[in-house]
Amino acid sequence: NAGVTQTPKFRVLKTGQSMTLLCAQDMNHEYMYWYRQDPGMGLRLIHYSVGEGTTAKGEVPDGYNVSRLKKQNFLLGLESAAPSQTSVYFCASSLGSQPQHFGDGTRLSIL
Amino acid sequence: GDSVTQMEGPVTLSEEAFLTINCTYTATGYPSLFWYVQYPGEGLQLLLKATKADDKGSNKGFEATYRKETTSFHLEKGSVQVSDSAVYFCALRVGRDDKIIFGKGTRLHILP
Repeated sequence: NAGVTQTPKFRVLKTGQSMTLLCAQDMNHEYMYWYRQDPGMGLRLIHYSVGEGTTAKGEVPDGYNVSRLKKQNFLLGLESAAPSQTSVYFCASSLGSQPQHFGDGTRLSIL
Repeated sequence: GDSVTQMEGPVTLSEEAFLTINCTYTATGYPSLFWYVQYPGEGLQLLLKATKADDKGSNKGFEATYRKETTSFHLEKGSVQVSDSAVYFCALRVGRDDKIIFGKGTRLHILP
């Protein structure tokens, strides 16, 4: 069972570079989420999507963009990476009121 | 606004000790409550949940009871094992968008 798959698992960027994190789920879930996890801060919601073609801002959306062109994929983009975006990023998905399923995370370092 | 407060860690216990990790919440309406666990290098996994007042969630020897009167959802286990070492997150779900609000996490170390 693949569940929620995040790629890449690790990445190092220089300040100002751009990149896209990919999240794919094979559970036919409607809802998908992107979080960042920082020491002492728990998980904070960046953006989320309640269905194909729809996205919404979470708690900390600045500096990120997302797209949900296909139901199974949720992309998180950094247009111009900053050191403050160094973090571990988690994607999650859920079906209606069911609990969220998480990927294994992407560790991103911005130099 | 809605929020979750859980005890700060790290919590260090000996194997077979009794565990309590406190969690309290603030929410409008009637939230669902969760405990998630994160093992090293992995994502979060649902440990247990409760959807209404007085519900008790349980899994793998862990338990938590939804206490509306004290707005609490404390995690307990009678006899911890080294394999329980992880970070534990209390969380609540509110609203139609299925958004979850997480506490900051409590790191648990179990010594053999």
